[in-house]
Parts: sequence; C-alpha cells; structure tokens
Amino acid sequence: ELKVEQNPLFLSMQEGKNYTIYCNYSTTSDRLYWYRQDPGKSLESLFVLLSNGAVKQEGRLMASLDTKARLSTLHITAAVHDLSATYFCAVDMSGNYQLIWGAGTKLIIKP
Amino acid sequence: AAGVIQSPRHLIKEKRETATLKCYPIPRHDTVYWYQQGPGQDPQFLISFYEKMQSDKGSIPDRFSAQQFSDYHSELNMSSLELGDSALYFCASSLVGQLKGYTFGSGTRLTVV
Repeated sequence: ELKVEQNPLFLSMQEGKNYTIYCNYSTTSDRLYWYRQDPGKSLESLFVLLSNGAVKQEGRLMASLDTKARLSTLHITAAVHDLSATYFCAVDMSGNYQLIWGAGTKLIIKP
Repeated sequence: AAGVIQSPRHLIKEKRETATLKCYPIPRHDTVYWYQQGPGQDPQFLISFYEKMQSDKGSIPDRFSAQQFSDYHSELNMSSLELGDSALYFCASSLVGQLKGYTFGSGTRLTVV
C-alpha cells in the first residue's frame, strides 16, 4: 500500500529564513507532485518531479526528488509572507488513476 | 488558458437531501478525478473516469455515484446527505501521458445542515 508522509505538519517561521518540508513515500512511484493550497481555495500545482535527482525551482521554492530514498523535499529560501499556505505532496503509480496525498504542511510566515 | 470548471461554488443542503456537483474538465483532457477534502484534511480520492469509463474507485460512499458524459463533463451525485458530507469537493482533470500533472478546479463547498 502506498503511503505518503509529510513533515512537519505545521511550521511557523520568520520572513527571510530558510526551511525545508519533507515528503516520504512507501513504495515505488512514477511521479511526485507538490501543490499549494490557500485557505478555502483550490490546489495549485507547483512542481511535478519525474525522475531520480530531479530538481525544479520556481522563485523562492525548490523541489527535489530522491527515488532511491523515496524522499522529496520542498525548500523555501528567504521566506516571504505571501508563501503562507498549506503545501501538499502527492504521488501516483502507473496504472492507478488517483493521487495519494500527504497530510499537508501548514506554513505560516510572520512578517 | 481554460481551467477546470466546477459548479456550483457553494451549496447548502439539508440532511437526507440530494446534491449534484458538476465538473467541466480542461478541453482534450481524457481523465477526471473527484476528491473530497474535509476541514483541515488532505484530499481523499473518491472516483475517477478515463474516456468516460470509471477507471478507479476510492473511498466513495455507496450513497454517492458519478458519471462522465459524452462531452467529458462529469457529475457527482450525492444522496441521503449526512452532516459528515460537508466538505470541499474538488474535481481535477489530466491527459494520460502528459507530464504536467493534474489541474484542479476551484471546488464546490458543500454544507449539510
């Protein structure tokens, strides 16, 4: 059974600081996704990671994937208040038409 | 660019009533997914359709049913509503083989009173 674990589940940090969110998954997966969700809003796709060693960056966010360790990280550099949101990782497997989600990391960035 | 359209955005129903949620996927996307997200919870997969056929089923109650029509839009029908059905319901679409992932709609907030 594919399971996805995120940590931390809650993170409060000051603007300008760096931090990393971790996403572990239990079995081989084809793709790993990172999504952002603002309260009461939809899920916004941030990154799709397809292969071992994949690294993608968008602004202050950088995601990486280590398929051997079954670990993905979302790194936040010099955080700003606008990045406050809940971040989810999710994985899928070939042949399965569904995503398996982590519990989400609620990120609060204080001015 | 066209996105995934869901309607209605908000819906208030009483217990034991029925509700129908609609989803219009991105044009040419061949797969539609339904997710339920309770307050403070991660999205839970309900059901998916590929080329108008049910492709996978998750934790969807027997009181719920869904279908995808010839124009690829999908409807989630919910009967005998319970208070615990109050949640955000998201529809997502994708194109099999496309590497861009899933695109989610804005969701329907269902409140059962």
